[in-house]
Parts: sequence; C-alpha cells; structure tokens
Amino acid sequence: QLQLQESGPGLVKPSETLSLTCTVSGGSISSSSYCWGWIRQPPGKGLEWIGSIYSTGSTFYNPSLKSRVTISVDTSKNQFSLNLSSVTAADTALYYCARHVWSGTSWFDPWGQGILVTVSS
Amino acid sequence: QSALTQPASVSGSPGQSITISCTGTSSDVGGYNYVSWYQQRPGKAPKLMIYDVSKRPSGVSNRFSGSKSGNTASLTISGLQAEDEADYYCSSHRGSSTLVFGGGTKLTVL
Repeated sequence: QLQLQESGPGLVKPSETLSLTCTVSGGSISSSSYCWGWIRQPPGKGLEWIGSIYSTGSTFYNPSLKSRVTISVDTSKNQFSLNLSSVTAADTALYYCARHVWSGTSWFDPWGQGILVTVSS
Repeated sequence: QSALTQPASVSGSPGQSITISCTGTSSDVGGYNYVSWYQQRPGKAPKLMIYDVSKRPSGVSNRFSGSKSGNTASLTISGLQAEDEADYYCSSHRGSSTLVFGGGTKLTVL
C-alpha cells in the first residue's frame, strides 16, 4: 500500500526558504507511470497546486508560484522535495504531497497527512 | 491563476441527493475530460472520489457520481448520509501542463 509522509520545519522566518521532503513507502518513486506533486492549503481556505515532478526530473509548476518554487527528486531515497523561496505570511499553509497520475488523465492519490508550516519571525 | 468556481456551500437531508457544480473555461474543464473530485473531512487529507469526470476509484461508494456539460462539471451524491458531510474540491487539467483546483464546497447534512 503506497504511503506518503511529509517532513520538515514547522516554522520558517519571512524572506527565508521553506524546505519540505516527502518520503514514499510501499512503492517506487521511479515508476514512469506517475509523477509526484505538492499541494498546499492555507488555514480555512482551499487547495492550491504547487507543482509536480517525474522521476526523470521533469518539473511542472503553478505559474503563480513558478518564480519561487523548486521541486526535486531523489530516487535513491524514494523521496521528493519542495523548496519555496522568499516566503511571507501568505505562504503559511498545510502542505501536502501526493502521487499525481498525469498522463491521459490527472488525479492525486494517495495523499500524505500534511504538514503545517507557519511563516513568522 | 484563477480557481475553478464552486458554490461555497450546499446542504441536504439524509436520503436526498445533492449536486455540486464546478465551472471553468474551455481551457480547463471544457477542454479536457480530466476533472477529478476530492472529499476532505475536518482535519484529514483530501481523498480522491471521482477522476476523469465520472470514474470512481475502487472502494468509493456508487452513491458518488460525476458528469460534465460544456465548461461545468458536477458531482452528485445520492442517498445522502451523515458521513458525507465534508468539504469537496474539484480539479481540472489546464492547458500548458498546469492544473487548477476549485475553491471548495462545504456540504452540510441537515
């Protein structure tokens, strides 16, 4: 059974870089059939797609965040990571990672449990 | 990028049917059959309920169904149950290798 788990700091200072890692278990991140995505949800608000990455390293980003986002993959560790630079309070959110099936279709399943990241000095 | 448009809230009594709409444009909902729906209960991660407009993943009740007409997709829940009370989000592929979520709909079971 595929499972995903987010990890990283729960508190980041304004103007710094938010860094999170998603560890995949119960399956290989190297499958060419899937990519791997990050989605966030500000407190009390809706979902926002951040970006997705294939195990080959090909990345796709939300245009509104593209200038600040880097997603990378480490197949040896079965992990993929999110870096979001120059954060502000508006980046405070619950960050989810998920398997993203995006070839002739588009859906996310399963999702990690999420990690709350607060941007504050 | 602008989100897909969903009603902020819908409600229904147990046993009834409700429908949640998700309106986009010809660049997303209307242009691709790649609409998915997610259920999010309080304090939980979203759960995939419908993909490719109308397909149900294994394990999802057949009380949940999806459809699309033009630029609007819909999620219908029949035989409403108390456990269906949650937030529901639609998502669609959008041209240029991006995708977008709807703003979410809070379903209240009266």
